[in-house]
Amino acid sequence: AQSVTQLDSQVPVFEEAPVELRCNYSSSVSVYLFWYVQYPNQGLQLLLKYLSGSTLVKSINGFEAEFNKSQTSFHLRKPSVHISDTAEYFCAVRMKTSYDKVIFGPGTSLSVIP
Amino acid sequence: ETGVTQSPTHLIKTRGQQVTLRCSSQSGHNTVSWYQQALGQGPQFIFQYYREEENGRGNFPPRFSGLQFPNYSSELNVNALELDDSALYLCASSSPGQGTYEQYFGPGTRLTVT
Repeated sequence: AQSVTQLDSQVPVFEEAPVELRCNYSSSVSVYLFWYVQYPNQGLQLLLKYLSGSTLVKSINGFEAEFNKSQTSFHLRKPSVHISDTAEYFCAVRMKTSYDKVIFGPGTSLSVIP
Repeated sequence: ETGVTQSPTHLIKTRGQQVTLRCSSQSGHNTVSWYQQALGQGPQFIFQYYREEENGRGNFPPRFSGLQFPNYSSELNVNALELDDSALYLCASSSPGQGTYEQYFGPGTRLTVT
């Protein structure tokens, strides 16, 4: 069975400071990895994904995540956060051998303080 | 290109009643997945429909059922509502043949069971 752990339920950070949101997963088979963002009262939006190739993936708005197979981690980072980054962030995995089922972590609430 | 839409936006039902939620998939997507997101938690996979057939199911009882129509829109039906069914229900569409492994989420339906 697959599972996703996000140890930090809430992360407060000052504007323009760096941030790291941690994600670890457990799976007996290879997986694809995703980060989704959810703004208040909205659905989920894909932030970035790792399918294969380079272990460092980047989004268009400055976020990046690095896949670490030995540590089964996919931490999300941003060197300088903005007020608009305040949201809920979900790490998720999908099995490479399965239908399109995605397992989500419990989420990390990022609050950017002015 | 039209995104994923869901209706209604909000719904209040009484315990024991039945409810139907609707989802229109994004243009060109033939797969629809449904998720339940309880307050403060990550989305939980309910089931997935591909070409009008259920092709995967999470750990939800049979009173959660669904349909997919020839235009790939979908319904989620929940019978004998319980208080714990109160949640945000998210629909996501995808097209496995595109090889992107992305799911596009709708804004959700907020169901409150009293």
